[in-house]
Order: sequence, then structure tokens, then C-alpha cells
Amino acid sequence: QQPVQSPQAVILREGEDAVINCSSSKALYSVHWYRQKHGEAPVFLMILLKGGEQKGHEKISASFNEKKQQSSLYLTASQLSYSGTYFCGTEGDGQNFVFGPGTRLSVLP
Amino acid sequence: EAQVTQNPRYLITVTGKKLTVTCSQNMNHEYMSWYRQDPGLGLRQIYYSMNVEVTDKGDVPEGYKVSRKEKRNFPLILESPSPNQTSLYFCASSLLNRISYEQYFGPGTRLTVT
Repeated sequence: QQPVQSPQAVILREGEDAVINCSSSKALYSVHWYRQKHGEAPVFLMILLKGGEQKGHEKISASFNEKKQQSSLYLTASQLSYSGTYFCGTEGDGQNFVFGPGTRLSVLP
Repeated sequence: EAQVTQNPRYLITVTGKKLTVTCSQNMNHEYMSWYRQDPGLGLRQIYYSMNVEVTDKGDVPEGYKVSRKEKRNFPLILESPSPNQTSLYFCASSLLNRISYEQYFGPGTRLTVT
């Protein structure tokens, strides 16, 4: 079952922060985050494993609350290069890897 | 250079004419997968393979076939394409390692079926 992402779209000014959420109705043991720029293939950002681990990648970090089956991606002091569509992907008990529908992020100067 | 290649990149065809989209990776990855991407629906998995001669259905396998005769190649076959298979297709590969399950994607194949 496909995870739910929110918001569907967000528009920011450079320097502003954003949070993208991903939730599932299934028990999860990992959450993956990818970014896709227009006309390009998705690119891996990070994976979070069962255990409530929080990971960071420069100004992009993420958390995973396994009890709530939720993950959040945090983009701090956004840059123009952060624009794109962000996908979470989840793996869980009895469930193969599945991507969410995506969140479109636009960063304006 | 580590990469996943797909061919062709663009294809326009007619209903019912069999076609194959090739996918090849040079990273010795065990896991390979095909996705289709449609507006508002994200990336939906068609088929995946855990290793040579091991394939399994994803979420939207109807109308597609795959084979994995060699570790590096994972072709997607549409035996009788229909207009509802018009989409952007991505092939991806990764190691079978739960710690670093990074999927590497090919550049995509845009298919139009008229």
C-alpha cells in the first residue's frame, strides 16, 4: 500500500525551511528518501532504518518514528538547488518496497 | 563510471506492436527493478528481480514481462502495448544490503503508445 505524503506541493523562498511528511498504515522497518529534478531520474538522499534513527545530509535531515509509521524530511535554509519532487519509499512487514506519490518543492529566489 | 543505462530513451509505437526496453547496470548489483511514473501517482513498481532467474511482480505488473538471464541486464517487454501503458519508465538497481539500499536509476524511457 502506497505511503501518504504531505504536503502535495510547497513553495518557498530561498533560506526558508520546509518539512515533508511520509506516513504508512503498515508497520515499517525502513524509509527511503529520493529527490527528482524535472526531466531527470530520482536520486537517493538517505535511508532510515527501524530504531527511530535520525540522519543528516548537509542541510537536509530526516527522522523516522517507527511507532507512528511516520518519517519527516527537514530542509533547512533551502537553496534554489533543492527544487524538485521528493519521494519517500517504505518497506514493511509483508510489504515490498513502495514509493509515495511525491511532494513537489519549488524554491524561489 | 557506475551507471544504469536504458534504451531507447524515447519511443513512439502503435497499439499491439511488441517492444522491448533494455536495462543494463555495471555495478554488479543483485537487485533490479522497473518502475513507471505517471503524474500524481509517483513511481509504481512493475517487476523486480533479486538475482539471476529470480523475478517477481510489483504493484502494476499487468501487460508487462521481464527476464533476468544475466546479472547485469533486466529487459522490460510489452508484448501487446496499449495506450494506457504510455508512461515514463525507469529501471533501477541496488545491492541487496539492508544497510545501504540505495537504488541507482537509469535516465528513463518515455513511451507513447498510439
